[in-house]
Amino acid sequence: KNQVEQSPQSLIILEGKNCTLQCNYTVSPFSNLRWYKQDTGRGPVSLTIMTFSENTKSNGRYTATLDADTKQSSLHITASQLSDSASYICVVPRRRGSYIPTFGRGTSLIVHP
Amino acid sequence: GAVVSQHPSWVICKSGTSVKIECRSLDFQATTMFWYRQFPKQSLMLMATSNEGSKATYEQGVEKDKFLINHASLTLSTLTVTSAHPEDSSFYICSGGSGNTIYFGEGSWLTVV
Repeated sequence: KNQVEQSPQSLIILEGKNCTLQCNYTVSPFSNLRWYKQDTGRGPVSLTIMTFSENTKSNGRYTATLDADTKQSSLHITASQLSDSASYICVVPRRRGSYIPTFGRGTSLIVHP
Repeated sequence: GAVVSQHPSWVICKSGTSVKIECRSLDFQATTMFWYRQFPKQSLMLMATSNEGSKATYEQGVEKDKFLINHASLTLSTLTVTSAHPEDSSFYICSGGSGNTIYFGEGSWLTVV
């Protein structure tokens, strides 16, 4: 069973709308969680990185939240743009102190005009 | 910011030949780099951890004799797909870390015909 589960698997929204992507993890103890954006055929690009002491972090129109108690994180995208169409990946270290990442399967987001 | 450069971006080779992919950290030293492969619409799958000056650590199920990794310097890791077959066709990505952040290369598309 994957230690990082993302939902939904895919999402289609209209341009200008908001959306929220979910990430549940079972890696424990937890040290940090990263959200990446991956355009088709490109390498992932970092959006946010959160440690266990942080509840929310924003990067422009992207806001990530973290609940270390329930082991859940979300990525909220505000006022979506066509360029937001991509795969969004949640990443946690394999175990505490590890630098080896464990990836979620990603959420494929399509923004329609 | 830190950049990981990957080359080539895409390559087509004949079945049975070998292909080398390079991954360079441009403005930071990477004692450890990671190699992944990604099939269409699937998540990144870690293949191996490349360690500068020592042998790479391969994930279960990854053939070390087929996917040769060399990490001869702090800024360069290479992945050589030996005796490539059509089933090796995939998107290969490398990553390296600086501080608390993982940076990904742009990826290399390999097509074996």
